[in-house]
Amino acid sequence: DSGVTQTPKHLITATGQRVTLRCSPRSGDLSVYWYQQSLDQGLQFLIQYYNGEERAKGNILERFSAQQFPDLHSELNLSSLELGDSALYFCASSVPPRGSYNEQFFGPGTRLTVL
Amino acid sequence: GQQVMQIPQYQHVQEGEDFTTYCNSSTTLSNIQWYKQRPGGHPVFLIQLVKSGEVKKQKRLTFQFGEAKKNSSLHITATQTTDVGTYFCAGQRTSGSRLTFGEGTQLTVNP
Repeated sequence: DSGVTQTPKHLITATGQRVTLRCSPRSGDLSVYWYQQSLDQGLQFLIQYYNGEERAKGNILERFSAQQFPDLHSELNLSSLELGDSALYFCASSVPPRGSYNEQFFGPGTRLTVL
Repeated sequence: GQQVMQIPQYQHVQEGEDFTTYCNSSTTLSNIQWYKQRPGGHPVFLIQLVKSGEVKKQKRLTFQFGEAKKNSSLHITATQTTDVGTYFCAGQRTSGSRLTFGEGTQLTVNP
């Protein structure tokens, strides 16, 4: 157990719909990262938040948005869903870098299926 | 943008054989991290390499960081069925910046 929680575990929805994925980082971690992993694919970085502010953006579609709240939990909103959005969505958190040492702790993921 | 390439994509070995996966970055890295994802699981941090030419060992796993800090490798000696999973390398350009993951090497071990 990494200490990072994600809900829901599974989500099945239809094309055109909107969903919200939730992530609670480990206690004390200020950074939250969102990744998308399609079947047998690598981890595609979507976005990073640090202490409530957007820190870095990856290949995140305009239909997707995220935010980090004052209690440091984060939500990833996916709208106008398409079949190709079906994937595993991971959240990860990390402490502020200790020197150059800053591993990421991943949550169990949310499996999104768009029908 | 920064790219991290990892080979091979798949590797099938007999239990007891050795295994190596290689990682190459298009840019010089501040550090490189390795993660393991078991089937149906989430990525789990294994190690971070920071120094040029660094070599670190964890039991049967040996991690290397190239002199130019652009490539890395993970070598597993005498694989076991518990080694099954996908091994990802992930590079950072600067400490605390986003990680760029390689595509991963999926290892299967036949008993």
